[in-house]
Amino acid sequence: DTEVTQTPKHLVMGMTNKKSLKCEQHMGHRAMYWYKQKAKKPPELMFVYSYEKLSINESVPSRFSPECPNSSLLNLHLHALQPEDSALYLCASSHQRGTELLFHNEQFFGPGTRLTVL
Amino acid sequence: KNQVEQSPQSLIILEGKNCTLQCNYTVSPFSNLRWYKQDTGRGPVSLTIMTFSENTKSNGRYTATLDADTKQSSLHITASQLSDSASYICVVSRTAYSGAGSYQLTFGKGTKLSVIP
Repeated sequence: DTEVTQTPKHLVMGMTNKKSLKCEQHMGHRAMYWYKQKAKKPPELMFVYSYEKLSINESVPSRFSPECPNSSLLNLHLHALQPEDSALYLCASSHQRGTELLFHNEQFFGPGTRLTVL
Repeated sequence: KNQVEQSPQSLIILEGKNCTLQCNYTVSPFSNLRWYKQDTGRGPVSLTIMTFSENTKSNGRYTATLDADTKQSSLHITASQLSDSASYICVVSRTAYSGAGSYQLTFGKGTKLSVIP
């Protein structure tokens, strides 16, 4: 299995809703990433997990809450979002061995979740 | 400042023709350079990943080159197909043991390629 899966594909939510995005990979990758991508822009890094521990938080507002329950799963919990948070949310994973640098190895991206906040 | 500049911003070519996309970077110290293809509304798909010592790498009709001295890379697409229509993103990884993640992986803004019949 060489793919990263994301659910749901599309999500529409109100500003008072609570929802979660899910990401799964079975490639044995120990680094997992969340990116946000606005239209016609490159992906922007949000969070990085390494060996199920949060390694990097790119000053993301607390209304986004990541969770890595095990080495194959990565969640992004959403609460009280704003319309400007509407975007494509991408999950990625990569190999990481020991103290190897994050971002050194190839990242495999999922298809993304298209989020619309009303 | 670590930057990745891609050109052209957009490109339209006829099916069957070849094209070359450019990527210039100032990221230092350099670790590797990747080219991704991204269809609209989908996640990026890796085409090639090149380290300092690699000058050229092919993946089917895609051939990437890297000149680490001039900090330039190109992606050549041969015999283009309609399915090649997508954004092509150059991403450079930096060898760094500290610093925020955004400084360790720098994305270009992409080249939007349209292949027309």
